[in-house]
Amino acid sequence: EAGVTQFPSHSVIEKGQTVTLRCDPISGHDNLYWYRRVMGKEIKFLLHFVKESKQDESGMPNNRFLAERTGGTYSTLKVQPAELEDSGVYFCASSQFEGGYGGYTFGSGTRLTVV
Amino acid sequence: RKEVEQDPGPFNVPEGATVAFNCTYSNSASQSFFWYRQDCRKEPKLLMSVYSSGNEDGRFTAQLNRASQYISLLIRDSKLSDSATYLCVVNQAAGNKLTFGGGTRVLVKP
Repeated sequence: EAGVTQFPSHSVIEKGQTVTLRCDPISGHDNLYWYRRVMGKEIKFLLHFVKESKQDESGMPNNRFLAERTGGTYSTLKVQPAELEDSGVYFCASSQFEGGYGGYTFGSGTRLTVV
Repeated sequence: RKEVEQDPGPFNVPEGATVAFNCTYSNSASQSFFWYRQDCRKEPKLLMSVYSSGNEDGRFTAQLNRASQYISLLIRDSKLSDSATYLCVVNQAAGNKLTFGGGTRVLVKP
């Protein structure tokens, strides 16, 4: 079974530019989550999709972040315009069941550096 | 106060020894609990879920104490490959978002 795939693995962009991160969940997993870890801090929740619907986007830091999951398959997270404080590792995770039963599977992350 | 707190360590453990560490959580309504393992510059990977009755998976034992709001992880007969950061993860009562602790770093040495 293929795991959660994220692309790109690394991205270095200048402040003010736009970056789009992509996540392909495990096939059949309706639940898709975005998390991020900024330097020196804990991993923090950004948002949760159930199929194509945003179930919870309470962790999105501001309106420069836009997440989509068209068709309920892969998801994109766009940052526009990027700021220095957006640097960090962005993880995507998927799960078959809500509530975490059976565990979440994380992708290897996208390391974003804004300079 | 952080929602999930962990001793950052590092815990320096001789190979073959036992190590145990705790994690406290602030939301008494939290519903499910997990230990994840994270290697340097890698993604978190589920180590085990933590159940009220306590559970064991090989050399790893997890306990949940709801009254005192902490969970624990014990590693017996430590291997060099157990060196990693162990993340305490809690599923809060509302919704499905996970709340992560900062992690406890364990270094197993020969």
